[in-house]
This record gives sequence, C-alpha cells and structure tokens, in this order.
Amino acid sequence: EAQVTQNPRYLITVTGKKLTVTCSQNMNHEYMSWYRQDPGLGLRQIYYSMNVEVTDKGDVPEGYKVSRKEKRNFPLILESPSPNQTSLYFCASSLSPRQGRDGYTFGSGTRLTVV
Amino acid sequence: LAKTTQPISMDSYEGQEVNITCSHNNIATNDYITWYQQFPSQGPRFIIQGYKTKVTNEVASLFIPADRKSSTLSLPRVSLSDTAVYYCLVGDPLDKYIFGTGTRLKVLA
Repeated sequence: EAQVTQNPRYLITVTGKKLTVTCSQNMNHEYMSWYRQDPGLGLRQIYYSMNVEVTDKGDVPEGYKVSRKEKRNFPLILESPSPNQTSLYFCASSLSPRQGRDGYTFGSGTRLTVV
Repeated sequence: LAKTTQPISMDSYEGQEVNITCSHNNIATNDYITWYQQFPSQGPRFIIQGYKTKVTNEVASLFIPADRKSSTLSLPRVSLSDTAVYYCLVGDPLDKYIFGTGTRLKVLA
C-alpha cells in the first residue's frame, strides 16, 4: 500500500531533550515536506526537500532540522525542544513540488507535547 | 505568496449540495488546484484536483473559472461523514505552497 509512515504517533518529552520524528514513504516520491498544525493557524510548512541532499526552509523552520540522505526518508529533528513546539506534525510527499497528479500524500501525524 | 482565502466555517444538512469557494490571487500559471479533506487528528487527504474548467470524480466536482483566481469545490448530497475541514492548495510562481486555515464544514442531521 502506498503510504507515508510517521513515528511515533504520540510523544511526550521534556524541554531540551533532543528528539527525532521519522518519516518514510514507499512511493519513490522526490518531494517531501514537514508541516505543523496548531489550532486556528492551519498547516504551516517547516522544511521541505526537493530530492536527496536538497532541503530548504519553509515558513516556520526555527528550532528544527531535517536531513534527506535517502529518497524514502525525511526525519525531523528537534535538537532542543521547547514548549512552543508542542503541536501536531505531519509529513507529506509527492512526485514533485507542484503537487502533481493526486497531490500530496500525508502521514497520520505525530502529536508532540513538550513539558 | 499564493495566499488562499476560504470561508472559515459552513453548516449544511444531510442530502444538500455544498459549495466551498477558495480565492487564490497569485497562482502559478502552470500549477494544479488541489483540494484536501481533513478529519480531526488525521492527515489531510486528497479529494480532487484540476487545472481549469470542471473536473468531476466519484466524491466531488471542482469548478475553475478561466482566470483561475478562484475555485469551487462542490460536494453533492453531503452526509454526516463529510463533516471535516476542507483546504484548497495552490502554488505561486516561486513554487511556494501555503495552506490556508481551511473551511470547517459541519453536516447536520
């Protein structure tokens, strides 16, 4: 089944403790992206990647890092999480940045709480 | 930036047709207009996509005028399970994509 898999689904952590949220897709998509979703603010893009070893900042990149060493994986790294990064995170992928046929495929989300 | 504007919320009754319009004044000339549906605590899900005129699939229709500065998602005969948030997404000439805050549709029995 074609899908984007995120792990973990839920995570509670403490301020300053480094964490990684994994994202993997099995559709050979070139484009991958991370979003965070907060009440009243919709989906905001954190980082995106056009292809392997090509990443760029989205609208809210502060406090986050990403890497794209393989086409299928696009982990989101929080080096020193803070409470304002408590949010619902989604990974997405598509054939190309221009959405392409069938648009973006989203993962099921990771609900992160930083205390 | 390709800013999209949609109504914040809409209510409808079961069996009615619902039309949600999105305005997008800075859309890239060669990009699709895509609509997504999102249920609470789930990722957005692709509904329909079009470039111009009208597109219809098994769940919705999409109407796009010639200037492509807006689009209308049409859901025929909605049911309670169509209660969700609906987003339109377009890209601007710089390949930037920004989700708006979406339209919260509530279907009433």
